[in-house]
Amino acid sequence: SAVISQKPSRDICQRGTSLTIQCQVDSQVTMMFWYRQQPGQSLTLIATANQGSEATYESGFVIDKFPISRPNLTFSTLTVSNMSPEDSSIYLCSVGLYTGELFFGEGSRLTVL
Amino acid sequence: AQSVTQPDIHITVSEGASLELRCNYSYGATPYLFWYVQSPGQGLQLLLKYFSGDTLVQGIKGFEAEFKRSQSSFNLRKPSVHWSDAAEYFCAVGARSGGGADGLTFGKGTHLIIQP
Repeated sequence: SAVISQKPSRDICQRGTSLTIQCQVDSQVTMMFWYRQQPGQSLTLIATANQGSEATYESGFVIDKFPISRPNLTFSTLTVSNMSPEDSSIYLCSVGLYTGELFFGEGSRLTVL
Repeated sequence: AQSVTQPDIHITVSEGASLELRCNYSYGATPYLFWYVQSPGQGLQLLLKYFSGDTLVQGIKGFEAEFKRSQSSFNLRKPSVHWSDAAEYFCAVGARSGGGADGLTFGKGTHLIIQP
């Protein structure tokens, strides 16, 4: 398994600002993923962040809005840019092991006013 | 494209009764299947997974699931629920490529309510 720490755990932000969420893993992993969970909804994959390559974004998500960094095998950041109330969600970091399993962090609960 | 359907948005079960949560998937090859549980305000915890082999898989907390290829289903079961099982349950399907996992596609979730 893997232990995943996310910061911040929650935040309240003003419209038009940006917030960077950090994800730290206790072991080296190749594949990291960022998901969004809107209120009362399921999880939607935002992007895949593999070390040494550009993040791959899913349909409906773009780099200008959700820039991602992956500087090493244990760390990644997701920035939510120019926020609006529609961006209020839980953002979850997950890591994929060679076994095919995915483990999730506790999530970062973002409220945009 | 892969997809997951959880037909029951809410399920109410009496404590001590048996439980079955339904999950149907659509995938072009043999899928990797998962069940996750999310308690209020918490992240997701992996309950169990199916990759290959025995179609009845055992997980944590007394849960099990059965993969039925002919029905494209992966239903979650527990013989006797406890009040602490009240949570949101997500079924997910994924693929494996290269040396690791791909991102998963999740169902919309089933909210489990336990009656005393």
